[in-house]
Amino acid sequence: IAGITQAPTSQILAAGRRMTLRCTQDMRHNAMYWYRQDLGLGLRLIHYSNTAGTTGKGEVPDGYSVSRANTDDFPLTLASAVPSQTSVYFCASSEEGSGHTGELFFGEGSRLTVL
Amino acid sequence: GQNIDQPTEMTATEGAIVQINCTYQTSGFNGLFWYQQHAGEAPTFLSYNVLDGLEEKGRFSSFLSRSKGYSYLLLKELQMKDSASYLCAVMDSNYQLIWGAGTKLIIKP
Repeated sequence: IAGITQAPTSQILAAGRRMTLRCTQDMRHNAMYWYRQDLGLGLRLIHYSNTAGTTGKGEVPDGYSVSRANTDDFPLTLASAVPSQTSVYFCASSEEGSGHTGELFFGEGSRLTVL
Repeated sequence: GQNIDQPTEMTATEGAIVQINCTYQTSGFNGLFWYQQHAGEAPTFLSYNVLDGLEEKGRFSSFLSRSKGYSYLLLKELQMKDSASYLCAVMDSNYQLIWGAGTKLIIKP
C-alpha cells in the first residue's frame, strides 16, 4: 500500500541524547515536510524539502536538522534532545513543493517523550 | 501576525448537522484546507477552497468568504465515526500552510 512510513511510532529518550526519526514515502512525491503537533496548538512546520537535495527551515527549526539525499527518505534528527521537544511528530509529503495547492499526505506520527 | 481561529470543542447528535467555523488573518491567501484527524491518527485531507462559495463533497461541504476571512465546514447526517478533530489551514502568500489548533467534534448517540 502506497503511503508514508514513519519510525519509530513511539520513543522515550533521555535529555541530551541524539535521536533520528525516519520517514519514507513511496508515492514519488517531490516535497516532504516535518511537523510537530502539541496539545492546543496547530501543526507547526519544522523543516521541509521541495525536492531531493534541497531543504528549508520552517517555523520551529531550532534543535532539529534534516537531509534529503533521495526522493523517498526524509529523516529528522534531534542532535541533543530537550524536554520541550516532547511532542508528536508527523512527516508529510505532497506532489509539488512551494506553491503547491494539493493535499498533504501524512504518516502515522512518531510520539516522542524526552525526560 | 498570522492567526487561525476555530472553536476548541463542539458537541453534536448523531444524525444531525454541525457547522465548524474558521476565521483567519494571514499574509496573503492561496487557499484554505480542511483536514480530519481521528484521535491518535494522522490528519487526512477533506477539502480545499480557493474561490468564494460552497464546495460539496458527499456529507461534507466547505464554504469560503475571502472578504470576511471566514470558512466553515458543514457535516450532515452525522455518524459516530465523524467524532474527530477538524483542522483548518490557510496557505499564505509564501505558500506556507498556517494551521489552526483544531476543533474536537464529539458525536453523541
